[in-house]
Amino acid sequence: GAGVSQSPSNKVTEKGKDVELRCDPISGHTALYWYRQSLGQGLEFLIYFQGNSAPDKSGLPSDRFSAERTGGSVSTLTIQRTQQEDSAVYLCASSLALSSGGQNEQFFGPGTRLTVL
Amino acid sequence: KNQVEQSPQSLIILEGKNCTLQCNYTVSPFSNLRWYKQDTGRGPVSLTIMTFSENTKSNGRYTATLDADTKQSSLHITASQLSDSASYICVVRANNAGNMLTFGGGTRLMVKP
Repeated sequence: GAGVSQSPSNKVTEKGKDVELRCDPISGHTALYWYRQSLGQGLEFLIYFQGNSAPDKSGLPSDRFSAERTGGSVSTLTIQRTQQEDSAVYLCASSLALSSGGQNEQFFGPGTRLTVL
Repeated sequence: KNQVEQSPQSLIILEGKNCTLQCNYTVSPFSNLRWYKQDTGRGPVSLTIMTFSENTKSNGRYTATLDADTKQSSLHITASQLSDSASYICVVRANNAGNMLTFGGGTRLMVKP
């Protein structure tokens, strides 16, 4: 596709329910990132994938959060037993593989706005 | 701890006026700094990237500066337009951080007619 796409664009759920957010990166981008943006706050790094592996999961806020990526393409972020504080916009980005200069731009999707009632 | 701080948090200017947004960082060792524009309801889009050796870089009406000694960057917007209304995010990458980034909290700019 032309850019990073995410679905759904909006998700309203009840506290305690599980949700799954999807990210389709730009074709050919091997690196994929998940961020969280709470209202009025900066972006918070959650996790990134190089291919299908996630070298750094330190940003995941709790064990209720998990992410996977299969086939080096689509990624899903799953939040189990959602809490009201999980309400935020979840942004996905992708980039080409890491280079020695590290200047590969991350291209962002439009985000999924999650509201936990 | 790597940190990026931006000021002001919000700014209102009249169409046609200029403005300057500030970014201070403590990310080390420094690799590069990007300014992103994030329209409401959209993902951030890169405006400029600056490496250690670059002092000034322009992209149309946007001009970014970098002082690696004082660890400060600025984004100057000339002859503002209504479409410049957005959040502007300063993002710094450290050399030892893989491709992970430290994000500033952003400056929310509103351009009024």
